Amino acid sequence: GAVVSQHPSWVICKSGTSVKIECRSLDFQATTMFWYRQFPKQSLMLMATSNEGSKATYEQGVEKDKFLINHASLTLSTLTVTSAHPEDSSFYICSASPGISPLHFGNGTRLTVT
Amino acid sequence: DQQVKQNSPSLSVQEGRISILNCDYTNSMFDYFLWYKKYPAEGPTFLISISSIKDKNEDGRFTVFLNKSAKHLSLHIVPSQPGDSAVYFCAASFSGGSNYKLTFGKGTLLTVNP
Repeated sequence: GAVVSQHPSWVICKSGTSVKIECRSLDFQATTMFWYRQFPKQSLMLMATSNEGSKATYEQGVEKDKFLINHASLTLSTLTVTSAHPEDSSFYICSASPGISPLHFGNGTRLTVT
Repeated sequence: DQQVKQNSPSLSVQEGRISILNCDYTNSMFDYFLWYKKYPAEGPTFLISISSIKDKNEDGRFTVFLNKSAKHLSLHIVPSQPGDSAVYFCAASFSGGSNYKLTFGKGTLLTVNP
């Protein structure tokens, strides 16, 4: 089946630094990838839609300058959390589809900002 | 405004019995519904889906029922097994929106006791 790989699985960083999270589709090409965020005991909230070769589409309330998304190839999208603060600590998950639903998810990245 | 609601945060059942997880939605534009299973620190795994043109879809031990008039769907697992213990997310999308843009409920923690 379709596999989505996410790296790193967890990261701890200091406040003010930037963190990059990678999302790869391993056995299919994905023109579109999605980035979700999950707070404890909450639902997965869509942050943005990453489009290969063009700008990402951000959901209302998500700061595009803080969460930089780059989708440079058909198999890779990156999310960079810039100038991270403790309130950015969360579980970030990417997803993609090989063109036939449903969405497949990566294993997520646990970000802790100290 | 929560468009997809899972009102039971948790459910506990005995091994071998039926597990019934419920989900309600408010947006009548939704026409495709999915259930995902999630273990801690992992991404969601697709379980089963249903299109709005159907009222039932079955896959092995898992059956999803859709009641469009009530804007309600449910996931039945029978017989339940201890390995089914996880958080189950209901998700919905509509054809008019971005492909595969999913709206998730908050999830229901299912515990199957041996």
